[in-house]
Amino acid sequence: DAGVIQSPRHEVTEMGQEVTLRCKPISGHNSLFWYRQTMMRGLELLIYFNNNVPIDDSGMPEDRFSAKMPNASFSTLKIQPSEPRDSAVYFCASSLVGQGASGYTFGSGTRLTVV
Amino acid sequence: AQTVTQSQPEMSVQEAETVTLSCTYDTSESNYYLFWYKQPPSRQMILVIRQEAYKQQNATENRFSVNFQKAAKSFSLKISDSQLGDTAMYFCAFLPSFGNEKLTFGTGTRLTIIP
Repeated sequence: DAGVIQSPRHEVTEMGQEVTLRCKPISGHNSLFWYRQTMMRGLELLIYFNNNVPIDDSGMPEDRFSAKMPNASFSTLKIQPSEPRDSAVYFCASSLVGQGASGYTFGSGTRLTVV
Repeated sequence: AQTVTQSQPEMSVQEAETVTLSCTYDTSESNYYLFWYKQPPSRQMILVIRQEAYKQQNATENRFSVNFQKAAKSFSLKISDSQLGDTAMYFCAFLPSFGNEKLTFGTGTRLTIIP
């Protein structure tokens, strides 16, 4: 298995532009999580899906952030418009529903820089 | 809500020595899971070890072991015979047993192994 695949690995964009981050979970996993990592706030859960349905989006910072999971093998996190304070590493992770105790599998992350 | 505290922002140790990283947590749950994740400079999040709260026996994975003290809500990680490849950020994480897939992380400890 190729693991959780995120793209792009790095993204540099100008303030005000739209940014889309992509994630392909492990085949067969049906829980998907988006985390944001910053020096100031550490690892924060933004949103998670079970069976493609958003379960908890209480961590999404503002309306500029949106996430979708149109099918079991793909999810996107979109920021529109982007701001410099959105600069962070964004991780996607997946697991089996009810099997989170086995630990999530994380992707390699997308480093986003907004200038 | 659960909280996870790692009180050691940075640690360093000589190669081949033993080092212990501290983690405490706060929860009203009676059953849950605890994890240690490693994040090397490559930024990949790697699961090191997991502990089920209802198991009294401390988990062990090769050179990595934990000291789980449920009453004290303490979950420390011991790395024996430390190696240069152990240099990384280490995160303690908490997962409730039922109804909630949200993995809560501590702020991390940056561990440096000195040759």
